[in-house]
Amino acid sequence: KQEVTQIPAALSVPEGENLVLNCSFTDSAIYNLQWFRQDPGKGLTSLLLIQSSQREQTSGRLNASLDKSSGRSTLYIAASQPGDSATYLCAVSSIGGGTSYGKLTFGQGTILTVHP
Amino acid sequence: NAGVTQTPKFRILKIGQSMTLQCTQDMNHNYMYWYRQDPGMGLKLIYYSVGAGITDKGEVPNGYNVSRSTTEDFPLRLELAAPSQTSVYFCASSYLGQGNEQYFGPGTRLTVT
Repeated sequence: KQEVTQIPAALSVPEGENLVLNCSFTDSAIYNLQWFRQDPGKGLTSLLLIQSSQREQTSGRLNASLDKSSGRSTLYIAASQPGDSATYLCAVSSIGGGTSYGKLTFGQGTILTVHP
Repeated sequence: NAGVTQTPKFRILKIGQSMTLQCTQDMNHNYMYWYRQDPGMGLKLIYYSVGAGITDKGEVPNGYNVSRSTTEDFPLRLELAAPSQTSVYFCASSYLGQGNEQYFGPGTRLTVT
């Protein structure tokens, strides 16, 4: 059974810092990995999707890497801003028989606070 | 495109009542999902569907039912509501041929008292 762990559970940084959020998963047979952002009381917004054949994806100040063999992904946020404050969730889609490709297993998230 | 829409946004149920959570997507996605999120936790998969007429159980299906008669709609039915079903419910959709990136609705906050 796939298990996803995110470290740290919470992080508080001053504005302008570069930071790294970590995600680990137990089964390396994955189809893809997705990073989401969730604002309080809101739904999930997809930030980056990394296919199993890729090593990293970039979008603006965000960079996500994937090391399938070690079961790890990192989300790097450059020059953090107060508007980046949110919960960041990592989710993996495991390779399985039949229709299992679409099913995501989520970590518990990292609560990020960026203070001015 | 409206993306994934969910109704209602909030609902309070008494124990034993039933209700249907509605989910609609306008992106012609083949896969649709229902998740629940409990406070301080990640999301857990309740049911999913790979196309009209095809559904399957996820990690936590007990107490729920689904149907998918069209590509666009994927309602979630709660029968005999229990306090353990107090949660935030999210619907999502994806297209396997496009890397299976999942898009989420805004959620329904349900309280069972």
